[in-house]
Amino acid sequence: ETGVTQTPRHLVMGMTNKKSLKCEQHLGHNAMYWYKQSAKKPLELMFVYNFKEQTENNSVPSRFSPECPNSSHLFLHLHTLQPEDSALYLCASSQAGQRNTGELFFGEGSRLTVL
Amino acid sequence: GNSVTQMEGPVTLSEEAFLTINCTYTATGYPSLFWYVQYPGEGLQLLLKATKADDKGSNKGFEATYRKETTSFHLEKGSVQVSDSAVYFCALSEMNTGNQFYFGTGTSLTVIP
Repeated sequence: ETGVTQTPRHLVMGMTNKKSLKCEQHLGHNAMYWYKQSAKKPLELMFVYNFKEQTENNSVPSRFSPECPNSSHLFLHLHTLQPEDSALYLCASSQAGQRNTGELFFGEGSRLTVL
Repeated sequence: GNSVTQMEGPVTLSEEAFLTINCTYTATGYPSLFWYVQYPGEGLQLLLKATKADDKGSNKGFEATYRKETTSFHLEKGSVQVSDSAVYFCALSEMNTGNQFYFGTGTSLTVIP
């Protein structure tokens, strides 16, 4: 069982669809992240949750809606996306606070294609 | 602000060649520095890290030294293997500012037999 699991691994959706990406971490961490990876661009931090509270929202369009029901699960709800939103979406977790080792643990990513 | 700049790829090397991937950073405080590696079809995983100036991180034959005077953290390996083919990301984190991570654009490495 990998530390951070993302589903689905691949998703194709139309611009009017509603879908969700799921992330689950089995590492006992208290911080979770969504990153967007596009070709030839730095990883873009989208959202950060510390202790289930959203602490970062880097000017992400409202068509992306995160949800963190508990410290082990993170969702990214998608609706009315645009073709330029096609990318690899990576979930990560870490241990924030005093036990911070400064390391992010990533899932394998969800490859999203918007038609 | 904080940022990371790394050399653009792609980089293609023959097996057993010497590898250097340059990385420089800009930070407001005293960051920790990281190299992450992404193998085909996988997520990123930590390769090595250094938490203070002059520290050397090493793993799997890769090394990088935290150079504060040149704000650099170049990745090196003396003899690359085909299995090292991947995308390498330089990153920094300032733990005192909420564990924010900043990544470079990534450098694709292909090692040919």
